[in-house]
Amino acid sequence: TQLLEQSPQFLSIQEGENLTVYCNSSSVFSSLQWYRQEPGEGPVLLVTVVTGGEVKKLKRLTFQFGDARKDSSLHITAAQPGDTGLYLCAGEKGNQGGKLIFGQGTELSVKP
Amino acid sequence: GAGVSQSPSNKVTEKGKDVELRCDPISGHTALYWYRQSLGQGLEFLIYFQGNSAPDKSGLPSDRFSAERTGGSVSTLTIQRTQQEDSAVYLCASSLSPVREQFFGPGTRLTVL
Repeated sequence: TQLLEQSPQFLSIQEGENLTVYCNSSSVFSSLQWYRQEPGEGPVLLVTVVTGGEVKKLKRLTFQFGDARKDSSLHITAAQPGDTGLYLCAGEKGNQGGKLIFGQGTELSVKP
Repeated sequence: GAGVSQSPSNKVTEKGKDVELRCDPISGHTALYWYRQSLGQGLEFLIYFQGNSAPDKSGLPSDRFSAERTGGSVSTLTIQRTQQEDSAVYLCASSLSPVREQFFGPGTRLTVL
């Protein structure tokens, strides 16, 4: 059972286009995190959202946590080839020692 | 400063053999996590250590998997009688304390022939 459903799993776009990645669950999370992973490396944390409805911006990346804290989205504006990579969402349910539940990941390819 | 390191970076073994994977967390980090990432997939939690508390082993897929953390620092994940379905990248992460940011190592790619 996949507690966090991430979509799309693959995305290939041209430089300059916008995109949105979704992370959905029927469970409530105390916080949700977004990671980016490059080949041969471990995931690197991009952002953590903890409050329902919270929106965080990181340059061209906008992260939103759903009001009910069950879903999240990552929006990239004017994608660049350097954005290419695997994007992972991960939820924490609280009182579980920081154990993370990961989505399947979105493999993003941005072509010049 | 040094990040999380893992060794070996790659391990190829034959079905039925035992393997040991090592993780050196960031100095001073009390929490240590092991995850498994199958090809093109997200990460699957395996086990979590926090200080001297009993580890949370709830993610270990079978009794062939075990892990220990010596002296609150280095951790070893052992897989006995490896199977082909054990092939994956095994990632270790550490954090200053639970619910703080987890820093991941580069992983060990395990291939079971």
